Amino acid sequence: QVQLVESGGGLVKPGGSLRLSCAASGFSFSDYYMGWIRQSPERGLEWVSCISYSGTNLYYADSVKGRFTISRDNAKNSLYLQMNSLRAEDTALYYCARDLRLGNYYFDYWGLGTLVTVSS
Amino acid sequence: EIVLTQSPATLSLSPGDRATLSCRASQSVTTYVAWYQQKPGQAPRLLIYDATDRATGIPARFSGSGSGTDFTLTISSLEPEDFAVYYCQQRSNWPPVSSFGPGTKVDLK
Repeated sequence: QVQLVESGGGLVKPGGSLRLSCAASGFSFSDYYMGWIRQSPERGLEWVSCISYSGTNLYYADSVKGRFTISRDNAKNSLYLQMNSLRAEDTALYYCARDLRLGNYYFDYWGLGTLVTVSS
Repeated sequence: EIVLTQSPATLSLSPGDRATLSCRASQSVTTYVAWYQQKPGQAPRLLIYDATDRATGIPARFSGSGSGTDFTLTISSLEPEDFAVYYCQQRSNWPPVSSFGPGTKVDLK
């Protein structure tokens, strides 16, 4: 069965950095685009970033462009999100999700999320 | 940036009722729209993609329609487990980005 397990969240000061990880299992990881979506009471559900099968193509929301970097390691069945220059508005539950097909950003499997809190 | 609006914000209905949820895009997204259901403490669940296609395992009482800027999710007869928050999502071709609507809560009347 498909499983996605996020880790790496925590409390960080404004301007700080954090690296999120997502361990995937139960499917052929390298055959799927993957993405990060976040959710907060203030901003609702917000698409953050997506990455193509091999990691060649990267896509970002304007709100995180230049600060966040998505990457993957297909040998380790893992997805990552490096978050730099964090702001209070980045506080959210971050989900890792599998793209249904071909990079259309429809997410058919989600993890349980990892909480990121940016506060001094 | 394409903005999605959803209406109503809250829909108060009873089991067996028909639910009609609306999603409007600020500009055309052709049929690149998905619908998700979210229950408290859970991740969103994909219901509909490409505006009209049901995801694997989704009951036939869920249907989607629309194109361009106006989309509808219909639940033909509400089951007790359908009371939840529903989000629409769009994907634009260029730039290749996505966004979600603010959600419609379907609660028990």
